Amino acid sequence: GGIITQTPKFLIGQEGQKLTLKCQQNFNHDTMYWYRQDSGKGLRLIYYSITENDLQKGDLSEGYDASREKKSSFSLTVTSAQKNEMAVFLCASSRGRNSDYTFGSGTRLLVI
Amino acid sequence: QQKVQQSPESLIVPEGGMASLNCTSSDRNVDYFWWYRQHSGKSPKMLMSIFSNGEKEEGRFTVHLNKASLHTSLHIRDSQPSDSALYLCAASPNTGKLTFGDGTVLTVKP
Repeated sequence: GGIITQTPKFLIGQEGQKLTLKCQQNFNHDTMYWYRQDSGKGLRLIYYSITENDLQKGDLSEGYDASREKKSSFSLTVTSAQKNEMAVFLCASSRGRNSDYTFGSGTRLLVI
Repeated sequence: QQKVQQSPESLIVPEGGMASLNCTSSDRNVDYFWWYRQHSGKSPKMLMSIFSNGEKEEGRFTVHLNKASLHTSLHIRDSQPSDSALYLCAASPNTGKLTFGDGTVLTVKP
């Protein structure tokens, strides 16, 4: 079995700060995703990548950058953290089209 | 515009009862539906997927799909307190990218 690891688990940032979240998977999955989940709500797609060095914008990409330098890792950068922002960022991976997703345990962000 | 609509927003059922959750996509390109369960403070885990018209059963869980109306439903029989969670419906077109609904919060009362 494989694992998908997100770091850090908790992230407290200051308004205007640039913050980076990391995700690693050892499933050898081609496709990786970053979703944002606000409290008790559904998941909104920020960025995804179908292979190394590929980046595709989701519905919520404004205010974020992403990087997929290796097949196994996908990082997300909040370019300028917004005060009082609080959300969980979930990374996922899948083999590809019509395959189920495996999610990481999430990074909980709080901006003060 | 929300492309995947789920109802109800929340649902309370007694232990042993039947829970019925609904989901509809407004994207005509969708060909797969997924149901994920997310316990509080945890990450979503895939429960069931369906892409053919009709019904699929796995244990206490049954999923229905009507492709013409792009409507799917999840039914949980003999509901247990451990089934209390956020249930997320997701739809994927041929690109494979999942779009999630806002979920249904299910509470099973002992």
